[in-house]
Amino acid sequence: AQKVTQAQTEISVVEKEDVTLDCVYETRDTTYYLFWYKQPPSGELVFLIRRNSFDEQNEISGRYSWNFQKSTSSFNFTITASQVVDSAVYFCALAGTGNQFYFGTGTSLTVIP
Amino acid sequence: DTGVSQDPRHKITKRGQNVTFRCDPISEHNRLYWYRQTLGQGPEFLTYFQNEAQLEKSRLLSDRFSAERPKGSFSTLEIQRTEQGDSAMYLCASSLVGTSRHEQFFGPGTRLTVL
Repeated sequence: AQKVTQAQTEISVVEKEDVTLDCVYETRDTTYYLFWYKQPPSGELVFLIRRNSFDEQNEISGRYSWNFQKSTSSFNFTITASQVVDSAVYFCALAGTGNQFYFGTGTSLTVIP
Repeated sequence: DTGVSQDPRHKITKRGQNVTFRCDPISEHNRLYWYRQTLGQGPEFLTYFQNEAQLEKSRLLSDRFSAERPKGSFSTLEIQRTEQGDSAMYLCASSLVGTSRHEQFFGPGTRLTVL
């Protein structure tokens, strides 16, 4: 079974604070891909990052960083020095050897100015 | 820039009516996916095409739902005899097999309201 759990439903932070969004996944596939998407109020899902199961290197892109740990089946996302424009719903997703994407229920992030 | 486009953006219909949505993927993409998203949930996979072939359908896709991609380019999703439970955002995504595998680009969605 493939499953993604985002336990944090809503998070509010004050601008410039750091925030980490949690993602835990379940899969029996040995090869799989993990993703983060951002869904701003406009509604369109925006791709942020893709990670394959063989690459556990953490990645940093500007204020964004991702921590992939196979031992705990987690793929957490950290925003450093948050900004109001970061306010959105963030989805973690899993794709196994099939072609279906399995999305978590999302974490709604509000950055307060 | 020609991203994924969907038409219409909003649709209000009465229960029992049929509706059809259209998705135009990124032009060189050979895979096209349909998802449904309800409030407070992540997108749920419905079906996907590789070129014109429909390769997989979710068990969520009842017999009232049908999707086509006749020429391997745009796709349509039809819902017959709509029910209130069909109210949702219908998302289309496309990807190109062989490069950036599994990276899907999403359209803006069609929001369906069934009265």
